[in-house]
Amino acid sequence: AQSVAQPEDQVNVAEGNPLTVKCTYSVSGNPYLFWYVQYPNRGLQFLLKYITGDNLVKGSYGFEAEFNKSQTSFHLKKPSALVSDSALYFCAVRDTGDYKLSFGAGTTVTVRA
Amino acid sequence: GAVVSQHPSRVICKSGTSVKIECRSLDFQATTMFWYRQFPKKSLMLMATSNEGSKATYEQGVEKDKFLINHASLTLSTLTVTSAHPEDSSFYICSAPTGTHTDTQYFGPGTRLTVL
Repeated sequence: AQSVAQPEDQVNVAEGNPLTVKCTYSVSGNPYLFWYVQYPNRGLQFLLKYITGDNLVKGSYGFEAEFNKSQTSFHLKKPSALVSDSALYFCAVRDTGDYKLSFGAGTTVTVRA
Repeated sequence: GAVVSQHPSRVICKSGTSVKIECRSLDFQATTMFWYRQFPKKSLMLMATSNEGSKATYEQGVEKDKFLINHASLTLSTLTVTSAHPEDSSFYICSAPTGTHTDTQYFGPGTRLTVL
């Protein structure tokens, strides 16, 4: 069985400050990890993924995430947040050989000007 | 990235009627598509896996006779909510992986269903 935990319902940061959205996962095999962002009344937009290789993954809009196997974490980061980054963020995991994605509960990010 | 479209984006219907939602992969072929349901400010709940040329696979607790899925071609899957009731009101989102199981799933923009 696979699962994802996003421990924070809400993250608030000031514009220009670093942004971190936390995610931990559980899988039986090798994890394939994804981050998506959702704006109100819209579908999910793909930000980045980790399949294998370098633990630091860079994605769209200046976001990056670090895969940490020992801590089973895949936290999303952005060095300098923008007001336009305010949205709902989902971490998702897929187990080896499985198409199905399991999503975290989501974290609402609010960046204040 | 790859593009997935959904139609309609918003639909309002009367209780007891059926509503069809289309999901299309515009620039790639998808033998598998997924249908999700999302409640306000909540995570996505996988409803079913749509398989081209064969029956859909439904998640536990999802009524297959109520949520009919047809994957008619490599670029089109449809979800029909039959005899809709107000409790079926929700945001329905489809997704499709671009290839192998390591590939990214791309999501449609979603369909807001309101049943009066």
